[in-house]
Amino acid sequence: DQQVKQNSPSLSVQEGRISILNCDYTNSMFDYFLWYKKYPAEGPTFLISISSIKDKNEDGRFTVFLNKSAKHLSLHIVPSQPGDSAVYFCAASADYGQNFVFGPGTRLSVLP
Amino acid sequence: NAGVTQTPKFQVLKTGQSMTLQCAQDMNHEYMSWYRQDPGMGLRLIHYSVGAGITDQGEVPNGYNVSRSTTEDFPLRLLSAAPSQTSVYFCASSYSLAELTRAREAFFGQGTRLTVV
Repeated sequence: DQQVKQNSPSLSVQEGRISILNCDYTNSMFDYFLWYKKYPAEGPTFLISISSIKDKNEDGRFTVFLNKSAKHLSLHIVPSQPGDSAVYFCAASADYGQNFVFGPGTRLSVLP
Repeated sequence: NAGVTQTPKFQVLKTGQSMTLQCAQDMNHEYMSWYRQDPGMGLRLIHYSVGAGITDQGEVPNGYNVSRSTTEDFPLRLLSAAPSQTSVYFCASSYSLAELTRAREAFFGQGTRLTVV
């Protein structure tokens, strides 16, 4: 059973609007969460992270929210740009470890 | 700054053949890992290493071997290729837990697309 779930395989958003990507997890030991962005034929690149001691982290247009009681996190992109079109992976680790469990990814398409 | 370099980018193998996927990083990272990406399953950890001479198994280690003789290199060996090993393979590196003030994100190579026929 997948410990990290991204239930939306794809998402389409108009340029300039907000993109919200969701991620749910089942392991209560997870204490660190990351979002990666992946373009075709490239490796994933780090986007933003959040520790379990926080409930929000911002970096420019990107904000990650963590709801520990619901075991849910979300990535908000505001405003969305066509260059944001990519596959986004949610990942989590436990016990401050370096081994991450990845979700299956959500393909975001930002339409001009 | 090259970061994480994987070779080859593409490979076709016949069932039963063996091969080594190469991975090198120039960031002096202690931690390195191999993942495979399959449709609908995200990235799954195959093997990892916390430093030269130390390796351990991840979630899906069967059919793969690794070694870590230097900090820079972490090759992945397929012993006897099977069609189930058709996948995209990613090598990654990051700072070790010992450097707690450092960020924990991993840096990934561009991937090796492997097809086993």
